Amino acid sequence: AQSVTQLDSHVSVSEGTPVLLRCNYSSSYSPSLFWYVQHPNKGLQLLLKYTSAATLVKGINGFEAEFKKSETSFHLTKPSAHMSDAAEYFCVVSEVGNDKLIFGTGTRLQVFP
Amino acid sequence: DAEITQSPRHKITETGRQVTLACHQTWNHNNMFWYRQDLGHGLRLIHYSYGVHDTNKGEVSDGYSVSRSNTEDLPLTLESAASSQTSVYFCASSESVARPYNEQFFGPGTRLTVL
Repeated sequence: AQSVTQLDSHVSVSEGTPVLLRCNYSSSYSPSLFWYVQHPNKGLQLLLKYTSAATLVKGINGFEAEFKKSETSFHLTKPSAHMSDAAEYFCVVSEVGNDKLIFGTGTRLQVFP
Repeated sequence: DAEITQSPRHKITETGRQVTLACHQTWNHNNMFWYRQDLGHGLRLIHYSYGVHDTNKGEVSDGYSVSRSNTEDLPLTLESAASSQTSVYFCASSESVARPYNEQFFGPGTRLTVL
């Protein structure tokens, strides 16, 4: 069965410093992986997705994620945090062949001035 | 622009009442999904549909039902609301399963409180 584990429930950074949100996945097949962001009282927005075309995936708002098969990881990074990045971030894996999404429990990112 | 909408955005009801949450998408997507979001659980799948007249149970389907009579709508019904169903509910849609790496598009959510 496929699953994702987000290793940190909360991450706090100062504005202008790097962001690292960690995600490990479990999958018997080549996975479809996504990062979604949820701002307070809003719906979920796709940040980026892994499509197997490249292991380093670039998303919106300066975020990137690197697919590492040997480590079964798909960590989300950003070189310099902005106050507007404060939100909940979900790492997600898609079940093969049926489009069902399996969500991690989320990481709340706080950004301090 | 295509979008996915949910109504109502906020709902307060009493234990035992039947409640229906609406979801409407203009993407013309075949696939539609209902999730609930609770602290510490992320989003969990309630029901989903791959097309008109198709419905399937998800991970947490007890006490919920859906029906799909057209492409655009997938209403979620709580047959007899319970306090444990107090949650935020999200509807989502995606294209056919034939396309790989299929992301889902989410609605703004409905906050349901059962007293």
